[in-house]
Amino acid sequence: QVHLQQSGPGLVKPSQTLLLTCAISGDSVSSNSAAWNWIRQSPSRGLEWLGRTYYRSKWYNDYAVSVKSRININPDTSKNQFSLQLNSVTPEDTAVYYCARDGEWLQYLFGYWGQGTLVTVSS
Amino acid sequence: QSALTQPASVSGSPGQSITISCTGTSSDVGGYNYVSWYQQHPGKAPKLMIYDVSDRPSGVSNRFSGSKSDNTASLTISGLQAEDEADYYCSSYTSSSAVFGTGTKVTVL
Repeated sequence: QVHLQQSGPGLVKPSQTLLLTCAISGDSVSSNSAAWNWIRQSPSRGLEWLGRTYYRSKWYNDYAVSVKSRININPDTSKNQFSLQLNSVTPEDTAVYYCARDGEWLQYLFGYWGQGTLVTVSS
Repeated sequence: QSALTQPASVSGSPGQSITISCTGTSSDVGGYNYVSWYQQHPGKAPKLMIYDVSDRPSGVSNRFSGSKSDNTASLTISGLQAEDEADYYCSSYTSSSAVFGTGTKVTVL
């Protein structure tokens, strides 16, 4: 059974960097049959897919157009986890952030989710 | 990518059937058989209920079923139960991202 455990600060100042981590148990971040995603949810924007990282003989990343210039998603194989880095945040980035696992065929099929982290962007 | 359109709310009495629609375009719902449905209770993460338009993950009740016609997907809940009261979101594959629906609040009267 896959379990995703999120960690990171709940408050970030405007213009600073949001950094969240998702620790994986029951699977491997290097698996050839999974992809590791970040999704956020806010009242104004609803559910929004942000991006993913996955390994298929080499590492790949895909990002949503809306955040492409500000986002990095990085795997950490030594700790079996992956992280979200979102730069230059504004109050519009206030949301509950989730990590989620997609399957082998990269269909955006999210069968496992982290517990969610409410991140507030405020000074 | 614009969000998929869902009704804001749907309600039904225990034992009844309800259907939630999810309307997109030929670039998402209509173009692929990769529509998923998620159930979300307050304060919880979404839970996958249907994938690939009509398949159910192991452990999901067969009271939940999905279908698709052209650019509109549908989720039907039969034999409505109190525990089904939640928010429901559709999601579709696109060539560059996932797109989610606007969400539907299901109320059990």
